[in-house]
Amino acid sequence: EAGVTQFPSHSVIEKGQTVTLRCDPISGHDNLYWYRRVMGKEIKFLLHFVKESKQDESGMPNNRFLAERTGGTYSTLKVQPAELEDSGVYFCASSQSGGSKVQYFGPGTRLTVT
Amino acid sequence: GNSVTQMEGPVTLSEEAFLTINCTYTATGYPSLFWYVQYPGEGLQLLLKATKADDKGSNKGFEATYRKETTSFHLEKGSVQVSDSAVYFCALFSPAGNQFYFGTGTSLTVIP
Repeated sequence: EAGVTQFPSHSVIEKGQTVTLRCDPISGHDNLYWYRRVMGKEIKFLLHFVKESKQDESGMPNNRFLAERTGGTYSTLKVQPAELEDSGVYFCASSQSGGSKVQYFGPGTRLTVT
Repeated sequence: GNSVTQMEGPVTLSEEAFLTINCTYTATGYPSLFWYVQYPGEGLQLLLKATKADDKGSNKGFEATYRKETTSFHLEKGSVQVSDSAVYFCALFSPAGNQFYFGTGTSLTVIP
């Protein structure tokens, strides 16, 4: 069974540009989460989808970040316009509904804004 | 609120040394506790978990016991190997908030 995949693995963009990150969860997982680790600090929650609906987006830093999950499958996280402080590693995770709540993480996308 | 505090690294040990990475937490309600590991170039992987007080999670020689009285979930391994070199994250899952809270991560390097 394929795990959580993320694309791209690394993105380098200039301040003011737009970047879109993609996450493909494990097939059948209704829950999809985005997290971010900035400059070696703790991994912080951004938002949570249940199928195509945003369950919790309390961690989104500002309105330059837009997450979507059309059709309840893959998700995208768009940053527009990017700022220097957006640099970090963006992780996606998915989990089944109910059960142990264990979240399975993708390899992350390293975003560098110059 | 919910938060996780873990010992800062980096930690460098010789092969076969004993490892302890401290983790303490604050939480509302009854969280589950986890250790995740990130090997170089890979994503986060679940290492072990404990869902209630006094539970012991174990995997690959690593152990951690959920101590409610000290709000701790310290990670231990009796004899580390070079292949254990990675970043280790302590985390709690809050059913009330339905989200994970992570520590800052501890980088471990094991030298032959």
